[in-house]
Amino acid sequence: GDSVTQMEGPVTLSEEAFLTINCTYTATGYPSLFWYVQYPGEGLQLLLKATKADDKGSNKGFEATYRKETTSFHLEKGSVQVSDSAVYFCALSDYSSASKIIFGSGTRLSIRP
Amino acid sequence: NAGVTQTPKFRILKIGQSMTLQCTQDMNHNYMYWYRQDPGMGLKLIYYSVGAGITDKGEVPNGYNVSRSTTEDFPLRLELAAPSQTSVYFCASRPREGQEKLFFGSGTQLSVL
Repeated sequence: GDSVTQMEGPVTLSEEAFLTINCTYTATGYPSLFWYVQYPGEGLQLLLKATKADDKGSNKGFEATYRKETTSFHLEKGSVQVSDSAVYFCALSDYSSASKIIFGSGTRLSIRP
Repeated sequence: NAGVTQTPKFRILKIGQSMTLQCTQDMNHNYMYWYRQDPGMGLKLIYYSVGAGITDKGEVPNGYNVSRSTTEDFPLRLELAAPSQTSVYFCASRPREGQEKLFFGSGTQLSVL
């Protein structure tokens, strides 16, 4: 079945640093790709998405580009803030059953003031 | 604006006990999901449903059962609880095929001792 692999955390950065969280996927066909964020004590929220190759999703200064040739969907932000501290999940809609949304293992991000 | 509501928020079970985790949504969403999130791990799909009367297994269905008698409700039943079922359980929903943003509940933290 389809799967998502994320870089292991935790990731610790200083405020205003550049952020990259790697995500690669294995899928038959062309899934939609997502980044979700989980703040402490809360459920997950959709951060951004891309539905086809070369699409760029963006929200709150975060960006990710759907790269079919490298099966990747890396999350980036140019200047992180303390308020970005959270767990970030990469996910895809399973092509074999588009009803399924499959998540990666999550990457915990901590930002130092 | 209730969204997805899960009850209870916390529960401690003894090995071998049974319980039902409740999930209800007031957004008239067709698709509903149950995920578990183990400490430091990502989300694993337990069961999902694409409409009333229709359910299907996810990645880790063993030890669980679900039913979907109405559009609003999607309870998750644990029979014969085991320590391996200690986890945080999230219910989620989305409107229909092609509407891929998931709306999450705030989670149920379950400990089996």
